[in-house]
Amino acid sequence: GAGVSQSPRYKVAKRGQDVALRCDPISGHVSLFWYQQALGQGPEFLTYFQNEAQLDKSGLPSDRFFAERPEGSVSTLKIQRTQQEDSAVYLCASSPKRVAGLYEQYFGPGTRLTVT
Amino acid sequence: KNEVEQSPQNLTAQEGEFITINCSYSVGISALHWLQQHPGGGIVSLFMLSSGKKKHGRLIATINIQEKHSSLHITASHPRDSAVYICAVRTPLYSGGGADGLTFGKGTHLIIQP
Repeated sequence: GAGVSQSPRYKVAKRGQDVALRCDPISGHVSLFWYQQALGQGPEFLTYFQNEAQLDKSGLPSDRFFAERPEGSVSTLKIQRTQQEDSAVYLCASSPKRVAGLYEQYFGPGTRLTVT
Repeated sequence: KNEVEQSPQNLTAQEGEFITINCSYSVGISALHWLQQHPGGGIVSLFMLSSGKKKHGRLIATINIQEKHSSLHITASHPRDSAVYICAVRTPLYSGGGADGLTFGKGTHLIIQP
C-alpha cells in the first residue's frame, strides 16, 4: 500500500524566501511527526500532531517555523524568511497509534531543503 | 537532554565481515532504538530495546543498561546492508505521546564492498 509521501522531494530557496513542505501520511494514521535532519547529523524532533491537534511543538527552532494539519490528515511545515541554517532534510512520519513510539512510526522519504 | 554518541562515524568493510556499531548515552532511558536509513531518506526501525538482546535475521542488538551502551551487530554482511545506522534513545520526559524525549545519534555510515 501507499506509504508516507512528501513533496517536494527537493527544494532550493533563496535566503529570505518562504517555503512550504507537504506531508501526506498513511491514510487513517492518527499521529504525525516532523523531524529536521541536518547534513551528517541524526534527526531532531520538531513537532507532533494527534489528528488536527498540535500537541507538541517544543522542537521548532524559531517562530519562523510553523506547522499545521487542519483536517487531521495532510500536514504542511512552513518556514518563513529562510536562513542558510535551515538547510536540512525534513522528515515526516505517521503512526496509527495515538501514543507512538519510534518503532511504530512510518517515515516518508524526506524533503531536502537547500537555502542559498 | 540526553547525549548520544555513536562510533564509528564511518565504516567500510568487505562483504562477509562481522560488523559492530556502538552507541553510548549519558542519561537513563526507557528505550533505545536502532534505525536504518537508506539514501533518499527512508528510515526503518530495526529494533527497540530496553534490556538484554534481540536478534532478527543477521542483525543482533544488545544493550547494557548499567554501562549505558548498546551495540548493533551485522553477521555475514552484504552490500545491501550499506546504509546509515542511527541509534535513538527515549527518556520519559512526559507521557503526552509525542516525541517522548527522543534523542538521535548522528548515525554510522556503513559501506559494504563486494
